[in-house]
Amino acid sequence: DSGVTQTPKHLITATGQRVTLRCSPRSGDLSVYWYQQSLDQGLQFLIQYYNGEERAKGNILERFSAQQFPDLHSELNLSSLELGDSALYFCASSVQGTTEAFFGQGTRLTVV
Amino acid sequence: AQKITQTQPGMFVQEKEAVTLDCTYDTSDPSYGLFWYKQPSSGEMIFLIYQGSYDQQNATEGRYSLNFQKARKSANLVISASQLGDSAMYFCAMREALSGGYQKVTFGTGTKLQVIP
Repeated sequence: DSGVTQTPKHLITATGQRVTLRCSPRSGDLSVYWYQQSLDQGLQFLIQYYNGEERAKGNILERFSAQQFPDLHSELNLSSLELGDSALYFCASSVQGTTEAFFGQGTRLTVV
Repeated sequence: AQKITQTQPGMFVQEKEAVTLDCTYDTSDPSYGLFWYKQPSSGEMIFLIYQGSYDQQNATEGRYSLNFQKARKSANLVISASQLGDSAMYFCAMREALSGGYQKVTFGTGTKLQVIP
């Protein structure tokens, strides 16, 4: 158990809908990362937050947004969902300035 | 150019043998970190080992060691005494520091390792 909690584990929704994925980082970790893993794109970095502030942005679509709250949990919002958004979405956390990031179990999103 | 290159899409290794998974990287940042993660069929990403760009010694964690050759920009993962439970996808990743305190993490495409009894 990495200590990073993601909910829900599985999500099935229809095209055009909006969903919210939630992540609780490890205790003491200030930095949260979001990744998307799909069969055709591999593991893609989406966005990073540190102590509530956005720190880096990767290949995140405009339909997607994220935030980190004062209690350090983070949410990834996906809207106007398309079939191609079906993927495994990972959250990871780390202590800024140190080394490894620890991943949650992921949320498997299926858009039908 | 690819930031992280893993040229072996799949590999087989006999149980109890050692195996090396290749990873090359490209960065102009003098301060960077290199990671290896394991992803079993269950899907979770498991951190294995880390090497900082200024670390003089190669990182080791149990049966895992990272063969860091800075001049060649390679960070190969060596797994000694392979076990059946090592069968998984292995990802190499690099963290670079960007301006303004930003960081960027890039993953390779992965190598699927299968351990044969």
